[in-house]
Order: sequence, then C-alpha cells, then structure tokens
Amino acid sequence: EAAVTQSPRNKVTVTGGNVTLSCRQTNSHNYMYWYRQDTGHGLRLIHYSYGAGNLQIGDVPDGYKATRTTQEDFFLLLELASPSQTSLYFCASSVDRLSNERLFFGHGTKLSVL
Amino acid sequence: DAKTTQPDSMESTEGETVHLPCSHATISGNEYIYWYRQVPLQGPEYVTHGLQQNTTNSMAFLAIASDRKSSTLILPHVSLRDAAVYHCILRDNYGNEKITFGAGTKLTIKP
Repeated sequence: EAAVTQSPRNKVTVTGGNVTLSCRQTNSHNYMYWYRQDTGHGLRLIHYSYGAGNLQIGDVPDGYKATRTTQEDFFLLLELASPSQTSLYFCASSVDRLSNERLFFGHGTKLSVL
Repeated sequence: DAKTTQPDSMESTEGETVHLPCSHATISGNEYIYWYRQVPLQGPEYVTHGLQQNTTNSMAFLAIASDRKSSTLILPHVSLRDAAVYHCILRDNYGNEKITFGAGTKLTIKP
C-alpha cells in the first residue's frame, strides 16, 4: 500500500506568519497534489506537480506557493498566513495521470491561523 | 461547476445494504468514475472505480448506468465502521490532472 506522510499534523501560527507544510511519498509516484478542505466545500485543489521541479496551478492557488524538490517531497508554503487559510490540508499522490490510477492521501495537517 | 451530484447525507442501520447515488450527467467517454470514503480527520481512501461495466471488490459494488450518466455505490451489510463521507468523482486521461472533490455524501449508521 502506498504511503503518503504529512508533517506537521497540527500547526498554529499568527497572521502574517510563515508556514511550510511537508509531504513525502516513498512509492515513486509522479504526481503529487495539495488540497485544502473546509466545511461545505469538499476538497479544493491548491497546487500539483508531475515531477521534481514542476509546479502546476490548481483551483485555489492565491496565497500559496509550492515546491517539488525531489520525486518524493512536495512542500506547501504560506509566506504571509491569513485567518482565511485556517483549514485542513491534505497531500495526495498518484502513479500517473492516467484515469485508472487512484490517489493516495496523507492523514492531513490541521492549520490554524490566529 | 460540479461534475457530480450527490445527496448531502444518508442514514442507514447496521446490517442493511446501502445504495449511495451519484449523478454525472455530462460525463465524457474517457472519464472514469471513482469513489472514495473519508472519516473525520483523515484523508480520503480509495473504494472503487469503473468506466462502463459494474465492478465489485471487498469493499463495495459499483453499479454504472448503461448511459453512464449515473452510478450507485452499494455497500452490503453495513457496520458502524462504514460511517463516512463518500465522494464520487470523475477522472479523465486527456491531460486533466485537476481532480476535483465535492462535499460528498455523509453516511450515518445507526446501531
């Protein structure tokens, strides 16, 4: 079973703070994704990547940067955190973009911006 | 725009068979239908997927309408552990990596 590990599990910061969320997958998956989940909105795609050094814009990218440093590691950066970014963040990976390849999700990071 | 439509919530009782509907009226020929389940404070977990034929695995049975405009996830003999939010999504292989999840159906199981 593919494993996706997120850290930290919980994070509290203040408005204007700098936050980095980490995601690692050890299954040589090409695609990695960052989602946020808020009540009533389901999961919304922030950024995704199909390999080291690649970055693609998702549906709700404003206020977020991301970087894929290696095949395994995908980071989400909030350089000036705002209360509206308080949310539950999930990282996911998949082997490829083919339609018959499923997503594997991490356990999530709960971020609170005060 | 949401590509799938699901009821916000459903309720069942332990031991019953649950039918979770999903409407995808604008589905295109290259799109697969995926189902994921999610319990609180955890990421979604894959349940099943299909293109045109009904599929079955240890977790569920997926019934796909002949016109592919709707599908039903069937959970036999549910237990309390089946309580979760069930997401129905579409995924194609024509370069669209933007996989979108809606709010899903919250399934409550009564003892």
